[in-house]
Amino acid sequence: GQQVQQSPASLVLQEGENAELQCNFSSTATRLQWFYQHPGGRLVSLFYNPSGTKHTGRLTSTTVTNERRSSLHISSSQTTDSGTYFCAIDNNAGAKLTFGGGTRLTVRP
Amino acid sequence: EAAVTQSPRNKVAVTGGKVTLSCNQTNNHNNMYWYRQDTGHGLRLIHYSYGAGSTEKGDIPDGYKASRPSQENFSLILELATPSQTSVYFCASGDAGEQYFGPGTRLTVL
Repeated sequence: GQQVQQSPASLVLQEGENAELQCNFSSTATRLQWFYQHPGGRLVSLFYNPSGTKHTGRLTSTTVTNERRSSLHISSSQTTDSGTYFCAIDNNAGAKLTFGGGTRLTVRP
Repeated sequence: EAAVTQSPRNKVAVTGGKVTLSCNQTNNHNNMYWYRQDTGHGLRLIHYSYGAGSTEKGDIPDGYKASRPSQENFSLILELATPSQTSVYFCASGDAGEQYFGPGTRLTVL
């Protein structure tokens, strides 16, 4: 089945530093979604990005489909960025997403 | 953004008891999903549905049933709860693109 690997597993930054989160997957993705999970537990969709580059605010997602990888770049990190970031893949145009293990980000003031 | 709600938000159950987790979505999505998340892990798919009357097995369906009586509602049923089912359960809805998640239900089975 589809495998999704995220790296690093955890990351600690000082406020203002940039972060680069990686997602690698074993089969071509027809859907790819990045999520942020609040420390309280709610999952929020950041990007739906099966290919190309998308920006929103300080966040940029880049997916290179034929290399089976995606990245999430966070610029000028803030303490409120702390939480866990997940990428999730669907590779058969069906309904199912397979999640990576997540990257836990801590931004210190 | 799609509105997905779950009830209850917290539940304590006894081993061998029956537990029903409910999910409601108000954006007319065809697909709905149940996931569980365990400490330090990503989400794993339990059951999903393509529409009213349909349920499909996900990656870890054993010990769980699902029911989709209407477009808006999708339930997860634990007929005989076990301590290994202690977890946080998330419901989601979506169609061909993004999935939108509910706030989660924390279930503890004693």
